[in-house]
Amino acid sequence: DTEVTQTPKHLVMGMTNKKSLKCEQHMGHRAMYWYKQKAKKPPELMFVYSYEKLSINESVPSRFSPECPNSSLLNLHLHALQPEDSALYLCASSLALELNTEAFFGQGTRLTVV
Amino acid sequence: AQTVTQSQPEMSVQEAETVTLSCTYDTSENNYYLFWYKQPPSRQMILVIRQEAYKQQNATENRFSVNFQKAAKSFSLKISDSQLGDTAMYFCAFMKPLQGAQKLVFGQGTRLTINP
Repeated sequence: DTEVTQTPKHLVMGMTNKKSLKCEQHMGHRAMYWYKQKAKKPPELMFVYSYEKLSINESVPSRFSPECPNSSLLNLHLHALQPEDSALYLCASSLALELNTEAFFGQGTRLTVV
Repeated sequence: AQTVTQSQPEMSVQEAETVTLSCTYDTSENNYYLFWYKQPPSRQMILVIRQEAYKQQNATENRFSVNFQKAAKSFSLKISDSQLGDTAMYFCAFMKPLQGAQKLVFGQGTRLTINP
């Protein structure tokens, strides 16, 4: 199983809503990532979890709240988002502490904030 | 800080032709990895090929090969016998270890279209 599964695939939410994005992998990877990708731009790193602990927060606003309940799951909780937060949110995973491994990406959640 | 530059926003070739996508990067580190990722309309980022900086031999994966010039900090991707399914956005990426994990820094991408 070399898949990273993200749900939902599409999400439309209002600025006062609370929603969550979910990411799951069963490859035994111990590093998981959230990337944000705006239209026609490259992905930008948001958060990194290594061994279920938040390792990196790339100065992301607090309206985005990540959570790693176990080694297979990664969530991104959304609250009071702005229209400019509309983007493709990509989850990825990799073997932690190993340099020569690739990151496996999910298909992303297309988020629209209205 | 590392930067990755892809100077070709768009490219278009005929099916079966060979195409080369350019990528340059800037880093002061000596040990790192470079990747080419492909993102088709399905949105999923798919690894095409990777290169370890300590290896002098250029990486090859079937129709895909790279020309890695470490001194020049250049990492181009050559696609031979291009196919319609190669149509996608291609991102060059630099990877460095970061606090027990890794951080990918992507270039701006090259949109490649293979025409029938």
